[in-house]
Amino acid sequence: EIVLTQSPATLSLSPGERATLSCRASQSVSRSYLAWYQQKPGQAPRLLIYGASSRATGIPDRFSGSGSGTDFTLTISRLEPEDFAVYYCQQYGSSPLLTFGGGTKVEI
Amino acid sequence: EVQLVQSGAELKKPGESLRISCKGSGYSFTSYWIAWVRQMPGKGLEWMGIIYPSDSDTRYSPSFQGQVTISADKSVGTAYLQWSSLRASDTAMYYCARGYDYGDFHLGYWGQGTQVTVSS
Repeated sequence: EIVLTQSPATLSLSPGERATLSCRASQSVSRSYLAWYQQKPGQAPRLLIYGASSRATGIPDRFSGSGSGTDFTLTISRLEPEDFAVYYCQQYGSSPLLTFGGGTKVEI
Repeated sequence: EVQLVQSGAELKKPGESLRISCKGSGYSFTSYWIAWVRQMPGKGLEWMGIIYPSDSDTRYSPSFQGQVTISADKSVGTAYLQWSSLRASDTAMYYCARGYDYGDFHLGYWGQGTQVTVSS
């Protein structure tokens, strides 16, 4: 069973700073099947990145994804006030079919 | 515009049954997988299962297999999540979400969520 571990659990930064979030898989994940989501309080999650590095429709280019194998990264180049939220990685294709990581909270 | 509209909040007692719904519009309902995701209070996202409405092919997370039933009625463009006997531990927000693209399990469109509270 594949497990996604996100680190750090909490990231304390200021607007304008760069955020680097990690997602490590217990087994190799195909790049095509790794995604990142953003969730703000009281809202449904929003797809940011799919296929490890492709931005979903309408996602600003300050969000970027990279990585392969078991190590993936979400980078927010310059934090805007609206970027403070919880971020989840997700894989599909390995048993179980879909898995989410535990999340990283980006706080001020 | 793609929309997933979920049924309203529910307050139930332990042991009761429940079915919540997720109606898709603005796209071909039968062409995209729909997943259900649980979020317990203050916790992360948990994938429960996924269904392909065209043929009702359904896959469950091992954690939820046998605990819930996922179904879809393509005639009304609606997916369902149901419990036969609720427990207090089922208290959570439940989201439905659609695949981003054909055959895709990246969840690109989400419903607004249905809060389920189970309390005696």
